[in-house]
Amino acid sequence: DQQVKQNSPSLSVQEGRISILNCDYTNSMFDYFLWYKKYPAEGPTFLISISSIKDKNEDGRFTVFLNKSAKHLSLHIVPSQPGDSAVYFCAAPSGANNLFFGTGTRLTVIP
Amino acid sequence: DTGVSQNPRHKITKRGQNVTFRCDPISEHNRLYWYRQTLGQGPEFLTYFQNEAQLEKSRLLSDRFSAERPKGSFSTLEIQRTEQGDSAMYLCASSPGGRTEAFFGQGTRLTVV
Repeated sequence: DQQVKQNSPSLSVQEGRISILNCDYTNSMFDYFLWYKKYPAEGPTFLISISSIKDKNEDGRFTVFLNKSAKHLSLHIVPSQPGDSAVYFCAAPSGANNLFFGTGTRLTVIP
Repeated sequence: DTGVSQNPRHKITKRGQNVTFRCDPISEHNRLYWYRQTLGQGPEFLTYFQNEAQLEKSRLLSDRFSAERPKGSFSTLEIQRTEQGDSAMYLCASSPGGRTEAFFGQGTRLTVV
């Protein structure tokens, strides 16, 4: 049962434009969400997180939005840069001991 | 380098052989996790240690898999009698107590031929 879903396997965006990556979840008990970025041949790197008590969290060019009623979150990157090209995973913790990951979205930023 | 270190980076083995991977977490992190990632999927949780105690195991962790973390420092993941379906990237991560964000190593890519 995929509790965290990323329905878009890939996304291409022009440099300087906004990238929007989406994530849906099914478990209403999730109260914290994380985004990770993964380059080829490297492990995932933590990017940004959001608690369910907020609906927005911003860190530089990265903003995560949470819509609890829709069980949906999105990561906005603006402006997008070629170095942002990577696979992005959303994740949610199950208890304190592990993370459920989505299947990832491959972002390509075209120079 | 003070990040999570995994060795080897790549391992090719014949079906039926045993393999062992090592993970050195960030030194002050008491929590250690093993995940497995296959093509087109996100990382899937395998097991979790707090210090030297293995506190949780996924049902993905069959009897052929065993993990240890002696003395609460480095960890090893052993797969016995490897099968082709074990081919995957094995990721280790660590985190300090009270933090949800886990820091991942670069992974060990296992290929079973």
